[in-house]
Amino acid sequence: EADIYQTPRYLVIGTGKKITLECSQTMGHDKMYWYQQDPGMELHLIHYSYGVNSTEKGDLSSESTVSRIRTEHFPLTLESARPSHTSQYLCASSSTTEHDYEQYFGPGTRLTVT
Amino acid sequence: KNQVEQSPQSLIILEGKNCTLQCNYTVSPFSNLRWYKQDTGRGPVSLTIMTFSENTKSNGRYTATLDADTKQSSLHITASQLSDSASYICVVSDRGSTLGRLYFGRGTQLTVWP
Repeated sequence: EADIYQTPRYLVIGTGKKITLECSQTMGHDKMYWYQQDPGMELHLIHYSYGVNSTEKGDLSSESTVSRIRTEHFPLTLESARPSHTSQYLCASSSTTEHDYEQYFGPGTRLTVT
Repeated sequence: KNQVEQSPQSLIILEGKNCTLQCNYTVSPFSNLRWYKQDTGRGPVSLTIMTFSENTKSNGRYTATLDADTKQSSLHITASQLSDSASYICVVSDRGSTLGRLYFGRGTQLTVWP
């Protein structure tokens, strides 16, 4: 089992609230990712990071922001949650030193905005 | 357009039976193809990863095949168990960027009945 953790696992919150989804990995991986997944649909990349102080937007436009101050930590923040943000958010990490660039996923955070 | 298509969308089989899941892709250039298992409410877990030169790889009761010429892959599950009930996702990586861009299928939802 991969050493990548996400908290909270489930979050129900009202519209307009600020939220931060936490993601941490203990594998020393340099690359980290955030994906958004709706039921029955494919994963969409919303943010990624090559390393500390590096953040990039993914393919799917998202109102969320991310930061990478420490190698092991890659939090995602929504300044003002809306019902359209309801989804599952998956964090992943990978190492450029591994030949197959395997991505290891966390358990996900199920976000519901009411 | 780079795409990954999976079939069937869903599948129900009886415990102990075998099944085969299909994946067709148009991703180019091709780097590798992965099969992930995703339990409900959890993050995907890697089953196999195959590069261009590999045409079959096994992981216990899971056997993946790859035909890079026809851009098709299959995942064969032998002697299914109740714990095999999950979504199986085909993921293809390109070599078009240093990120190793991943293209996700929507998954096949497998249900194993006793």
